[in-house]
Amino acid sequence: DTAVSQTPKYLVTQMGNDKSIKCEQNLGHDTMYWYKQDSKKFLKIMFSYNNKELIINETVPNRFSPKSPDKAHLNLHINSLELGDSAVYFCASSQFTRQGAGSPLHFGNGTRLTVT
Amino acid sequence: KQEVTQIPAALSVPEGENLVLNCSFTDSAIYNLQWFRQDPGKGLTSLLLIQSSQREQTSGRLNASLDKSSGRSTLYIAASQPGDSATYLCAVKGLFYNTDKLIFGTGTRLQVFP
Repeated sequence: DTAVSQTPKYLVTQMGNDKSIKCEQNLGHDTMYWYKQDSKKFLKIMFSYNNKELIINETVPNRFSPKSPDKAHLNLHINSLELGDSAVYFCASSQFTRQGAGSPLHFGNGTRLTVT
Repeated sequence: KQEVTQIPAALSVPEGENLVLNCSFTDSAIYNLQWFRQDPGKGLTSLLLIQSSQREQTSGRLNASLDKSSGRSTLYIAASQPGDSATYLCAVKGLFYNTDKLIFGTGTRLQVFP
């Protein structure tokens, strides 16, 4: 069973389009994240949700809008895609055990987004 | 601002060697440090998590140490195998800024050849 699954695995689209990436975790975790990995393989957090509530919103264009219908799902919708949005997007989850500590992060396999 | 650096950026070794990957961070006020492995085209797999009160963690052939005061962690891989070839990333969770955020290093790309 896949613990953190995201779809699609590959996404190729043209500039200006709107696209969504879906993420689901079956680990019972209460916190989910979206990370972006750029062409230099650097991973940077975009958003974090705890029990469906947004707790981290890094400096990300407002064209990116996360949505968490329940604590097992965190989807990412991107409007008006730009060339610079091309990257690999990773979903992750963890359990917030106590103030700040948390359990290890579990990652999905990533969605490779290519904007042409 | 927390910065995480990993040295070396790439490493190529023959099978069977013991090796050490290094991770350093600028702000010692951390909750924990986590080591991950990333295979090409895959997500990250958590290897070891060391809480700030711990000095080391072990899992099989892997041993991670943490020296919070000096801002350093090492990942020791014993008797390396070709299957260990991957990119290894360390990440720290900060104490005083947004505590739910992991700051990642840029990784060490390891190749173990037969």
